[in-house]
Amino acid sequence: AQTVTQSQPEMSVQEAETVTLSCTYDTSENNYYLFWYKQPPSRQMILVIRQEAYKQQNATENRFSVNFQKAAKSFSLKISDSQLGDTAMYFCAFGLYNNNDMRFGAGTRLTVKP
Amino acid sequence: DTEVTQTPKHLVMGMTNKKSLKCEQHMGHRAMYWYKQKAKKPPELMFVYSYEKLSINESVPSRFSPECPNSSLLNLHLHALQPEDSALYLCASSLGQGAGTGELFFGEGSRLTVL
Repeated sequence: AQTVTQSQPEMSVQEAETVTLSCTYDTSENNYYLFWYKQPPSRQMILVIRQEAYKQQNATENRFSVNFQKAAKSFSLKISDSQLGDTAMYFCAFGLYNNNDMRFGAGTRLTVKP
Repeated sequence: DTEVTQTPKHLVMGMTNKKSLKCEQHMGHRAMYWYKQKAKKPPELMFVYSYEKLSINESVPSRFSPECPNSSLLNLHLHALQPEDSALYLCASSLGQGAGTGELFFGEGSRLTVL
């Protein structure tokens, strides 16, 4: 069975600074995908970034980038130039290639302070 | 259109009521999901309809009943719920079977309160 662990329940960062959210996972599979989702207060969950396990290059989306360490089963999210709108709950998630049961970590509540 | 629309946004019901939550998407996605999310917790998968085939989380009680009238619509029928069923119910969709077809698109959720 796959498990996803986020060890930081809460984090805060000053506006314009950089913050890194941690995620580790456990699987015996080779063909999988990793995701970071953002859930702002009282708003819908949206995808931040996606990483295919077979790709060695780390995914980037504007201010968001990941550090994917496949051997260590680590998948951290770096947010650069933090903005107030980045305040949200961030969930790390794991999905298999042909399985609809996506597993979510417990989440990290990020607060960006002005 | 990249939206998943859920109605109602808020629902209050008694333990003897029968109600339904509705979800709709027009992205041509062939998989739709119901998740339950308690406060400050991650979403937990309840049901998946993928290519009109239902998959169930065995831990979900029978007082929750999913229905998929067509590939764009997903309902969740509620009957004889308990106060501990109060939660945010999230609908999601994805292009197809598995994470290899892309990410989940979520609706805003239906916040259910059982009195």
